[in-house]
Amino acid sequence: GENVEQHPSTLSVQEGDSAVIKCTYSDSASNYFPWYKQELGKRPQLIIDIRSNVGEKKDQRIAVTLNKTAKHFSLHITETQPEDSAVYFCAASIGGGSYIPTFGRGTSLIVHP
Amino acid sequence: GAVVSQHPSRVICKSGTSVKIECRSLDFQATTMFWYRQFPKQSLMLMATSNEGSKATYEQGVEKDKFLINHASLTLSTLTVTSAHPEDSSFYICSATSREQFFGPGTRLTVL
Repeated sequence: GENVEQHPSTLSVQEGDSAVIKCTYSDSASNYFPWYKQELGKRPQLIIDIRSNVGEKKDQRIAVTLNKTAKHFSLHITETQPEDSAVYFCAASIGGGSYIPTFGRGTSLIVHP
Repeated sequence: GAVVSQHPSRVICKSGTSVKIECRSLDFQATTMFWYRQFPKQSLMLMATSNEGSKATYEQGVEKDKFLINHASLTLSTLTVTSAHPEDSSFYICSATSREQFFGPGTRLTVL
């Protein structure tokens, strides 16, 4: 089955800096890669996703890049703010079918004011 | 976006009792729902896939007789933790898919 590795497990940055979280996946059939933000005690919320037919997607301060050949994808957050502090999960799945995502282990992002 | 509700949000029970958690898709029909378990500071662990009108598909290592799943309708799936023990204490989250995956708010189960 699919295996998703996520790094780093903890990321500490100063407000205004950029943050990058990286994930790799093993199943070349995976074609849908969502990113979730989970605040303490709350549900994961989808913040951005990318499908395998594009290499990059951007939404304001958040961007995701995908390298299908290398089987890795990354989340980029620019101009970080304290409210960005949360746990971020990447996931990989085969979209359009049974859609069962495999999650990475999560990255705890801490943005210091 | 689509809304998934979960009830109860918190439950405290005595060891040996059973606890039922409900997951509802409020504004869309979900033929498939997912049940996850999350330990503190850890990722989401898929327990089972709940299929409307058929048996759930359990992940390896998850006891189907311990965690009973019933997907009674296109908008409701239930997870029953039977004969709960302290080690079952965890955060249980359901999700349903409608173009993307939407998560319920989670249920914090504490077994004394």
